[in-house]
Amino acid sequence: NAGVMQNPRHLVRRRGQEARLRCSPMKGHSHVYWYRQLPEEGLKFMVYLQKENIIDESGMPKERFSAEFPKEGPSILRIQQVVRGDSAAYFCASSREQGKPQHFGDGTRLSIL
Amino acid sequence: DQQVKQNSPSLSVQEGRISILNCDYTNSMFDYFLWYKKYPAEGPTFLISISSIKDKNEDGRFTVFLNKSAKHLSLHIVPSQPGDSAVYFCAASADSNYQLIWGAGTKLIIKP
Repeated sequence: NAGVMQNPRHLVRRRGQEARLRCSPMKGHSHVYWYRQLPEEGLKFMVYLQKENIIDESGMPKERFSAEFPKEGPSILRIQQVVRGDSAAYFCASSREQGKPQHFGDGTRLSIL
Repeated sequence: DQQVKQNSPSLSVQEGRISILNCDYTNSMFDYFLWYKKYPAEGPTFLISISSIKDKNEDGRFTVFLNKSAKHLSLHIVPSQPGDSAVYFCAASADSNYQLIWGAGTKLIIKP
């Protein structure tokens, strides 16, 4: 999965803390997508961003979750006041254009104690 | 409400034989389908896709077949190799959109 870089690979937080997940898209890609995967399930769409714009956040929980993709720097998925149910693998993908295959990073495994 | 279903959680195939992975969908608006392969602790890797205007797409050992009337697609891998052992996900989108809807995956095990 060279190209889309996610960090950290593993993140442990206590309930009530904040989690910040970072994603740098492939070179030349300006479309970024975040997905969440629970154990034994497929990926679930969360949010789609282009540089400085949130295009679709229909898959994001209404509270505590936010995402950004600034003009400079990586895309950030931020989870405030984490709860046990936020434990999951969070994957970021990027594409050159909308409708083209999305290429994924290796994910961030978030564990909530 | 599972719009994309992969009914076989796992599949075991002898090395050198054909692997056939199946996927069913319910949303008739889906017009773009993709297969991804995933190793443990890695992200999904794009394998092959097909648009609803086609019924077959081939890339090396991988062929995807689409049966729109049955709302069914399948991925054929021939010949199967040990490195093909992984979890395979089927995903779909509508209007060539960005929001991929994923199946739960099928774990493929290639036996030597």
